[in-house]
Amino acid sequence: DTGVSQDPRHKITKRGQNVTFRCDPISEHNRLYWYRQTLGQGPEFLTYFQNEAQLEKSRLLSDRFSAERPKGSFSTLEIQRTEQGDSAMYLCASIKNTEAFFGQGTRLTVV
Amino acid sequence: AQSVTQPDIHITVSEGASLELRCNYSYGATPYLFWYVQSPGQGLQLLLKYFSGDTLVQGIKGFEAEFKRSQSSFNLRKPSVHWSDAAEYFCAVALSYNTDKLIFGTGTRLQVFP
Repeated sequence: DTGVSQDPRHKITKRGQNVTFRCDPISEHNRLYWYRQTLGQGPEFLTYFQNEAQLEKSRLLSDRFSAERPKGSFSTLEIQRTEQGDSAMYLCASIKNTEAFFGQGTRLTVV
Repeated sequence: AQSVTQPDIHITVSEGASLELRCNYSYGATPYLFWYVQSPGQGLQLLLKYFSGDTLVQGIKGFEAEFKRSQSSFNLRKPSVHWSDAAEYFCAVALSYNTDKLIFGTGTRLQVFP
């Protein structure tokens, strides 16, 4: 257990529905990252927060994706109008001293 | 563009045998290098990292890695593999000390036979 928790662990949704994932980082870590991992690939960077400020977004993050980190604590990642191509593992990581602590991820399946 | 290559998609070894997983990176300067392990249903766990200094770094679970600037490589090694080492291994780079954004390779799946 790394201390980073993600909820839910698994999500199956119909195409076109909206989904929201939550990440609770280690409490004293102020930097939080979201990554996406598809089958047979390594994780790919999506977005990054320093406290509550979203400082960088990948081109992978289309306008259907939005992420927030209110009050610099937990973070949410929302996908609107899901598509089959959104099926992936979504990983959250909180950072201290350049070491990334990853959650177990949320596996999204869009049917 | 910066990239990380793990040329071996799948490796099978016998328990007790030695292991070497390859990693090559493409970047103009020396990046900050990491190896992570991902077991089924688990998140990524850091095995070891290299920032500077001694090019042979020791990590957890008996793993070590050697940075070779001339070959742009950071190969992971273990002298004797245990069945519990079966997992997916990812090499990653960060482009500077001040950025935590990681660029990952595609991973190497390790299978261990008794």
